[in-house]
Amino acid sequence: KNEVEQSPQNLTAQEGEFITINCSYSVGISALHWLQQHPGGGIVSLFMLSSGKKKHGRLIATINIQEKHSSLHITASHPRDSAVYICAVGRQGNLIFGKGTKLSVKP
Amino acid sequence: DGGITQSPKYLFRKEGQNVTLSCEQNLNHDAMYWYRQDPGQGLRLIYYSQIVNDFQKGDIAEGYSVSREKKESFPLTVTSAQKNPTAFYLCASSIRTAEETQYFGPGTRLLVL
Repeated sequence: KNEVEQSPQNLTAQEGEFITINCSYSVGISALHWLQQHPGGGIVSLFMLSSGKKKHGRLIATINIQEKHSSLHITASHPRDSAVYICAVGRQGNLIFGKGTKLSVKP
Repeated sequence: DGGITQSPKYLFRKEGQNVTLSCEQNLNHDAMYWYRQDPGQGLRLIYYSQIVNDFQKGDIAEGYSVSREKKESFPLTVTSAQKNPTAFYLCASSIRTAEETQYFGPGTRLLVL
């Protein structure tokens, strides 16, 4: 079993829909990261959180430490949100990455 | 503009050849990392360096080598011992540790001829 599991693996949405991507982990962590990988391959860090909730524009990330679960929400989705979203957890001096969720938002 | 650059964008390797991927950062970060990405898999750590002239193996270091002679530069050599080098290679940096926010370069796609 992978230490970091993401669901769904693939997600197709219509423009304007509310989107949720989930991340579960099985180990103790220092923090959880959400990353976005564009179709060209570049990766940007969206959030780093160790408790509660963070918001940036239309993106919201939440984490429940007791349940070892985090969600990334996108409100009013847009085709430019199409990307792979990656969850990663910080543990023992390293990051452990999930396999990513591929999101496609159709106009 | 501060950031991380990687070159080349595409690289072709012949049988038995060593190739070197470049990674440069002007963020004044102490720590730098090399990851390998294969289709359907999460990023895997090849090597990392937390300070100049020091580096450690990651999970999949076999067939790779690195150097860290300058703070700004962390080149990765894919040696002929790496039997399955075709992948997307990403370099990243952070202020000090891997558990902080990491900043990624645009990546190099390595293909075998």
